[in-house]
Amino acid sequence: AQTVTQSQPEMSVQEAETVTLSCTYDTSESNYYLFWYKQPPSRQMILVIRQEAYKQQNATENRFSVNFQKAAKSFSLKISDSQLGDTAMYFCAFMKPRFFYGGSQGNLIFGKGTKLSVKP
Amino acid sequence: DAGVIQSPRHEVTEMGQEVTLRCKPISGHNSLFWYRQTMMRGLELLIYFNNNVPIDDSGMPEDRFSAKMPNASFSTLKIQPSEPRDSAVYFCASRWTGEAFFGQGTRLTVV
Repeated sequence: AQTVTQSQPEMSVQEAETVTLSCTYDTSESNYYLFWYKQPPSRQMILVIRQEAYKQQNATENRFSVNFQKAAKSFSLKISDSQLGDTAMYFCAFMKPRFFYGGSQGNLIFGKGTKLSVKP
Repeated sequence: DAGVIQSPRHEVTEMGQEVTLRCKPISGHNSLFWYRQTMMRGLELLIYFNNNVPIDDSGMPEDRFSAKMPNASFSTLKIQPSEPRDSAVYFCASRWTGEAFFGQGTRLTVV
């Protein structure tokens, strides 16, 4: 079974600085998806960024980027120029999709999360 | 699209009562997930459906929990009888390909 580990329960960063959140996972599969979700105090789960394992290029979305190391099974999230609105729980997630005509299915497994506080 | 819709947003019930949580996935999505979130255990996958069929229910904690998906636009998670340790936030999510989209969650409190 796949597992996702986030080793940092809590982190803090000063506004405008850069912070990196760690995630490791365990799988024997070669093709899969990895995601980072953000959960602010409002409780809504929001997708931050996603990475397909077959793509060697690291995904980037504005101030958010990942360092995907497939051999090491590591998927860290870097947040640049941190803003107060980035304060939230961040969850790393893994999915091994099984594709079929017209769509796909797969189990979506989450890590325990990292609570990030951005300080003014 | 209005996104994934869950109801109710909050539910307070007495121990022993039946609780039913509801979810309407995004139209066109063919996978639906139910998660439970607690401080101690994080986000646990309870069950997921594909094309209305339960694919993996290994996360359902006990026989007191049951989930159904009678059609592509509706799913329920039922707890009968409820216990105080069932208090948590329950999320529903749906997807087609790529990422899953989450509802706002139902905060369940069993007293």
